[in-house]
Amino acid sequence: DAKTTQPPSMDCAEGRAANLPCNHSTISGNEYVYWYRQIHSQGPQYIIHGLKNNETNEMASLIITEDRKSSTLILPHATLRDTAVYYCIVFRAAGNKLTFGGGTRVLVKP
Amino acid sequence: KAGVTQTPRYLIKTRGQQVTLSCSPISGHRSVSWYQQTPGQGLQFLFEYFSETQRNKGNFPGRFSGRQFSNSRSEMNVSTLELGDSALYLCASRPGTSGGYNTGELFFGEGSRLTVL
Repeated sequence: DAKTTQPPSMDCAEGRAANLPCNHSTISGNEYVYWYRQIHSQGPQYIIHGLKNNETNEMASLIITEDRKSSTLILPHATLRDTAVYYCIVFRAAGNKLTFGGGTRVLVKP
Repeated sequence: KAGVTQTPRYLIKTRGQQVTLSCSPISGHRSVSWYQQTPGQGLQFLFEYFSETQRNKGNFPGRFSGRQFSNSRSEMNVSTLELGDSALYLCASRPGTSGGYNTGELFFGEGSRLTVL
């Protein structure tokens, strides 16, 4: 599976959009981009995933660049409960495991 | 629908002992994966079971083993515990397929926090 690079931490103001970048320059054509988050002392929670097109659900939006070498997770209106570690993962559809990197520690401030 | 249930939530063992952790997946899910999370190494894949068969294994010593039962419930066992085995052990389930496309959407439990003294 391709590796991902994320900033180790970022702060965000409550009520504002949080834009979390992820670099995956070695991604292959059959690999998806998945995002998870882990709130302190809980198991990781699936957020969203995509292959080529931008995706949106009730939690977030995922913007994937045309060359697929990077993506951005957008939390449209961050709340204090969005404080968590966010993981960007490249996953091969026929694969059987998720490879977690270091993630981005997001702190939402009032 | 009940989520993934892991037991026990917390446990303390001493070096040399062995431990068994249990995971009940979401009803209907046939795939169960186990992950270890430590401050130093982060989240690392241990193994995955599907229909009672281990089909993928991470880079862990043989002291770490697991099994899956016919009702998809899974257990993992760590023998001859070492201090470095102190970690949060996470179980995750998904519907699973016998081959081809597998979703990367895993449903994680709250984890079992093991402390080895």
